[in-house]
Amino acid sequence: DPKIIQKPKYLVAVTGSEKILICEQYLGHNAMYWYRQSAKKPLEFMFSYSYQKLMDNQTASSRFQPQSSKKNHLDLQITALKPDDSATYFCASSQEWGGADTQYFGPGTRLLVL
Amino acid sequence: AQSVTQPDARVTVSEGASLQLRCKYSYFGTPYLFWYVQYPRQGLQLLLKYYPGDPVVQGVNGFEAEFSKSNSSFHLRKASVHWSDWAVYFCAVRHITGNTGKLIFGLGTTLQVQP
Repeated sequence: DPKIIQKPKYLVAVTGSEKILICEQYLGHNAMYWYRQSAKKPLEFMFSYSYQKLMDNQTASSRFQPQSSKKNHLDLQITALKPDDSATYFCASSQEWGGADTQYFGPGTRLLVL
Repeated sequence: AQSVTQPDARVTVSEGASLQLRCKYSYFGTPYLFWYVQYPRQGLQLLLKYYPGDPVVQGVNGFEAEFSKSNSSFHLRKASVHWSDWAVYFCAVRHITGNTGKLIFGLGTTLQVQP
């Protein structure tokens, strides 16, 4: 059974619209993360949360807003979508934030903005 | 600034041959290093990780990696490649100073396996 669920797998959106990417982890972890994988670029860290609190934000744009309604959920709301937002977005989790705990990744949501 | 370089975008080997995928890192201090693999249309899976200690670490499916502080490298090796190893391999370094949770990734190396 998948331990980190991301929904949807694929998403097509029009420029200017808003979408929410869903992430749920069933590993009992206390830290969760978002990364983005754009074409020709390395995976890029976006956010980290620990016990539902934002710990680190490396995303320049306020159009990207993480939302944690439960300890094992970390959704990503993206507003005013642009074609440059097209990428695969990966959610990850680790037992604790910081330190050396291994991060486990979900299967990703592939977003295409037209 | 911390960074990871994977100098080979693509590596092609014959099935049964040995493999080395290169990774160079730039990091001030003692790094924690990881190799992840991404199979087609899947997320990243951990192959192995290095924490300060024995420089050679063993991973899953016969993979191993060797940390070299003098060369700032963390190369991945496998003695005999299988066709199922066809995937993209990512090297990553994690901050351990400043207590951040951030992983820094290289661009990845695509491994192609010839029959």
